[in-house]
Amino acid sequence: AQSVTQLGSHVSVSEGALVLLRCNYSSSVPPYLFWYVQYPNQGLQLLLKYTSAATLVKGINGFEAEFKKSETSFHLTKPSAHMSDAAEYFCAVSGGSASKIIFGSGTRLSIRP
Amino acid sequence: GAGVSQSPRYKVAKRGQDVALRCDPISGHVSLFWYQQALGQGPEFLTYFQNEAQLDKSGLPSDRFFAERPEGSVSTLKIQRTQQEDSAVYLCASSQADNYYEQYFGPGTRLTVT
Repeated sequence: AQSVTQLGSHVSVSEGALVLLRCNYSSSVPPYLFWYVQYPNQGLQLLLKYTSAATLVKGINGFEAEFKKSETSFHLTKPSAHMSDAAEYFCAVSGGSASKIIFGSGTRLSIRP
Repeated sequence: GAGVSQSPRYKVAKRGQDVALRCDPISGHVSLFWYQQALGQGPEFLTYFQNEAQLDKSGLPSDRFFAERPEGSVSTLKIQRTQQEDSAVYLCASSQADNYYEQYFGPGTRLTVT
């Protein structure tokens, strides 16, 4: 069985500050891990994915995430927040049953001017 | 270069009515997925097709939910005798055969059951 836990349903940072969104996973098989972003009234867009290659994964819009097996974590970071980063972010896991992606409950990111 | 499209974008149904939600995947994408996203929650898997074959329907919440993809392209999610707890956004996603985990999502259909 697989699951993800996103710590913090709402994160607020100032424009230009570091963004850190936390995700811990549980998986009985080697996981594939993902971060998706969802803007209001839009579908989900893949930010980045980990598929057992490099543990530091770079994605779109300056985001990156590091897979840490010992901590079962896959936290999302961005060095400098931009107003356009305000959105809902979902961490997700897949593995075993190839078809199924399990999503976390999401973290809403707000950016203060 | 169209992405995944879904129709209608919004649907209001009275309790007990049947609804049909349509998904047009990206052309050439073999795999198609349906998810249900309740307010304030992450998407939850409903069902998965590879071409016209429904390979996993373990997420369908009851036998009132039915999905089909008869020609391996467009898919329809049907909900019979809608209940208030069916109110949610229904998301469709598609992916290429050899990259199943890289799923491209449509904008969703927001279903409100009154």
